[in-house]
Amino acid sequence: QITLKESGPTLVKPTQILTLTCTLSGSSVSNFGVGVGWVRQPPGKALEWVALSYWNNDQRYSPSLKSRLTITEDTPKNQVVLTVTNMDPVDSATYYCVHIKWPLYTFDYWGQGILVTVSS
Amino acid sequence: QSALTQPPSASGSPGQSVTISCTGTTSDISIYNFVSWYQQHPGTAPKLIIYEVNKRPSGVSHRFSGSKSGNTASLTISGLQTEDEAVYSCSSYAGSSNFVIFGGGTKLTVL
Repeated sequence: QITLKESGPTLVKPTQILTLTCTLSGSSVSNFGVGVGWVRQPPGKALEWVALSYWNNDQRYSPSLKSRLTITEDTPKNQVVLTVTNMDPVDSATYYCVHIKWPLYTFDYWGQGILVTVSS
Repeated sequence: QSALTQPPSASGSPGQSVTISCTGTTSDISIYNFVSWYQQHPGTAPKLIIYEVNKRPSGVSHRFSGSKSGNTASLTISGLQTEDEAVYSCSSYAGSSNFVIFGGGTKLTVL
């Protein structure tokens, strides 16, 4: 059974850097075909794909956020880390860690989500 | 403005069927068979209910079905039950640059 768990700060100040960690269980980030990434959802609004890291170090970023994002894998810890620079109140959202299996483009497993608020 | 267009709301009575649409463009739904649908109850994470247009993950009720015509995908829920009341969101692969895009979500009310 695959599970994902997000961790990180729930409150950041404007202009600060957000670092979120996703811990994968029941599979490995280095398994062939595995991708782990992030989808966010502002309160009451739509889902938005943010970034993804595949098992082969292929990283994908949302074009609208790309300049502010970095996604990395910590294979020994079976974790994926997302960094978002220059946080703004509009980035306040629940950030979900998601699992994808190449070559499908479907998020088949989701973490419970972590609500991040950007406020001074 | 979401990349895929969904009606904000839909409704039906128990036992009835309801269809939710998801309209894209010639850059996504029209050319890729990677349409997915997610069900989200309040305060919980989305749950995958349809992938690759019309496939159901193990454990998802047969009452959920998906289809696609041109640049519009549809989710049909038959035999509506009260527990089907939720927000339904569609997504589509949109090429290597945009990767996956979502619809704005449709809030389904079971009257």
